[in-house]
Amino acid sequence: GESVGLHLPTLSVQEGDNSIINCAYSNSASDYFIWYKQESGKGPQFIIDIRSNMDKRQGQRVTVLLNKTVKHLSLQIAATQPGDSAVYFCAESRSGNTPLVFGKGTRLSVIA
Amino acid sequence: KAGVTQTPRYLIKTRGQQVTLSCSPISGHRSVSWYQQTPGQGLQFLFEYFSETQRNKGNFPGRFSGRQFSNSRSEMNVSTLELGDSALYLCASSLVPSGSRTDTQYFGPGTRLTVL
Repeated sequence: GESVGLHLPTLSVQEGDNSIINCAYSNSASDYFIWYKQESGKGPQFIIDIRSNMDKRQGQRVTVLLNKTVKHLSLQIAATQPGDSAVYFCAESRSGNTPLVFGKGTRLSVIA
Repeated sequence: KAGVTQTPRYLIKTRGQQVTLSCSPISGHRSVSWYQQTPGQGLQFLFEYFSETQRNKGNFPGRFSGRQFSNSRSEMNVSTLELGDSALYLCASSLVPSGSRTDTQYFGPGTRLTVL
């Protein structure tokens, strides 16, 4: 499959454990944030998003936390499964006509 | 509904050549964005088109260009290829422009370009 990132930080977790992937964003004016998952050989896939007027949002098995004070975003995956193994990217955007800016990504490796 | 398709999936070119990549968005989607993905730089925004008009352009040299057709299909062109242009080129489509926050971008599988 595609080699998405040879030099990415890697998080290894045991199957069934919870995973926490962190992201520091750079622009204090950013007001919209998205997490994407990229599996080998595929394009990024939307997981969950959050706007700056919220500090927490939950989806199916995933939770995104936003701390605007320290410009930090995290993705929590509950009961991590082998299918969760992928590279995870956070992306930020400002209001208006501005494109998404992606972080470098974190590789999640699930140990069965 | 079919997803975003990109052709070709793999491409090998030599320095100095030019290349054209194609992206067909999800039916009904009018916004197409292009990204370059490399191990060192990650995902970097190239440009976005909406209704045949370029809305945004990233920080890439003029060798990188694109266009969008009336059926929303988009092409990007890279002229005078350099070794550093080797990358995965991703296309994403959405119903409305990416800055509107009301719609999700859906990515294609990408075109892997290798420049020798």
